[in-house]
Amino acid sequence: QKEVEQNSGPLSVPEGAIASLNCTYSDRGSQSFFWYRQYSGKSPELIMFIYSNGDKEDGRFTAQLNKASQYVSLLIRDSQPSDSATYLCAVNKETALIFGKGTTLSVSS
Amino acid sequence: DTGVSQDPRHKITKRGQNVTFRCDPISEHNRLYWYRQTLGQGPEFLTYFQNEAQLEKSRLLSDRFSAERPKGSFSTLEIQRTEQGDSAMYLCASSLMTGNEKLFFGSGTQLSVL
Repeated sequence: QKEVEQNSGPLSVPEGAIASLNCTYSDRGSQSFFWYRQYSGKSPELIMFIYSNGDKEDGRFTAQLNKASQYVSLLIRDSQPSDSATYLCAVNKETALIFGKGTTLSVSS
Repeated sequence: DTGVSQDPRHKITKRGQNVTFRCDPISEHNRLYWYRQTLGQGPEFLTYFQNEAQLEKSRLLSDRFSAERPKGSFSTLEIQRTEQGDSAMYLCASSLMTGNEKLFFGSGTQLSVL
């Protein structure tokens, strides 16, 4: 079992829709969870982080964490074409972050 | 705060040559990380420093790879006797030692080994 798993996609949604991105992790001891956005040819950019069970909202983004199910998700409301990118889920392992392969999101106008 | 800076942005080398990359972290950040990313994959952890001490290395890291952070500021990553399989984006990231590991990445160095 991989440490951090994501569906590679692509996930295609129309402009204005809600995009839902999912991630599962294997280490029950993980405490910190992150979502990074990566545009093609660019480096990862931190967009959300969550440490406690439940939801955390920041603008159009909501991160959801369920430690019992070892599941993290990212919701993007009112999706825009500029949201088209690869979204990387990352989970702490001791002091480093372990990344999933990423989910490619395509938002069509 | 100018962000994490990496140099060079691109490097093309021939198989068997040595290459060295440099990373300048965000000035107040005391943790520095090196990752490698290939197409279609997420970043893969290589090694990390807390100040000048190299505290962790991936078991996947070949002995051809060496990293230093001599004064706890900038870091270098050297790859000796490069192989075509070393072709990748090498990413540097830094963070504060707060225990919640928010990493901020540089633009990366794209290595192509011919």
